[in-house]
Amino acid sequence: DGGITQSPKYLFRKEGQNVTLSCEQNLNHDAMYWYRQDPGQGLRLIYYSQIVNDFQKGDIAEGYSVSREKKESFPLTVTSAQKNPTAFYLCASKGTATSPLHFGNGTRLTVT
Amino acid sequence: GENVEQHPSTLSVQEGDSAVIKCTYSDSASNYFPWYKQELGKRPQLIIDIRSNVGEKKDQRIAVTLNKTAKHFSLHITETQPEDSAVYFCAASGSYQLTFGKGTKLSVIP
Repeated sequence: DGGITQSPKYLFRKEGQNVTLSCEQNLNHDAMYWYRQDPGQGLRLIYYSQIVNDFQKGDIAEGYSVSREKKESFPLTVTSAQKNPTAFYLCASKGTATSPLHFGNGTRLTVT
Repeated sequence: GENVEQHPSTLSVQEGDSAVIKCTYSDSASNYFPWYKQELGKRPQLIIDIRSNVGEKKDQRIAVTLNKTAKHFSLHITETQPEDSAVYFCAASGSYQLTFGKGTKLSVIP
């Protein structure tokens, strides 16, 4: 619920393969975000986008890529260049700079 | 960029006692400070937030205080219950980019 849909919930890939995680929101929010969560590491920002066709790197962008062709969608591609891709990935959106961040339910990616 | 430090990393309290989690931030331009609760395997959910023009905000058993001069803010949970057990994250923002602390694992012992 909450208007942000992430799919799939669980994703398994072989090492060396690129994989794309989906994120769709129907909250009409301008800004969208991707966070990575590892045990004991909190939430680390990968990429964020404030408007369509524009996005900025976060703290750990290496090995990831994004696109923002539509306001509702912000897919994240985990490339083979990402050395430790196994993690819990959270997509989020917000309407203004000082409004709450709304999270999707997350995608747990396992790469073996 | 912004840096948010959160303490303690783990906290155990007896049911009915109070719990306090503290955060400091580095960027004096930050003006929005939310707190999130995350249960195991689930997404973080906003429990309370405060803006820089307010020093304290309360919602039932939860309160947040902000000291802009010292650049720190705290979460207070009173009369803790077992269902309060979770990981709590603080965050700070002065723009669209939100920076999170590393989290506090709160355990409430029945």
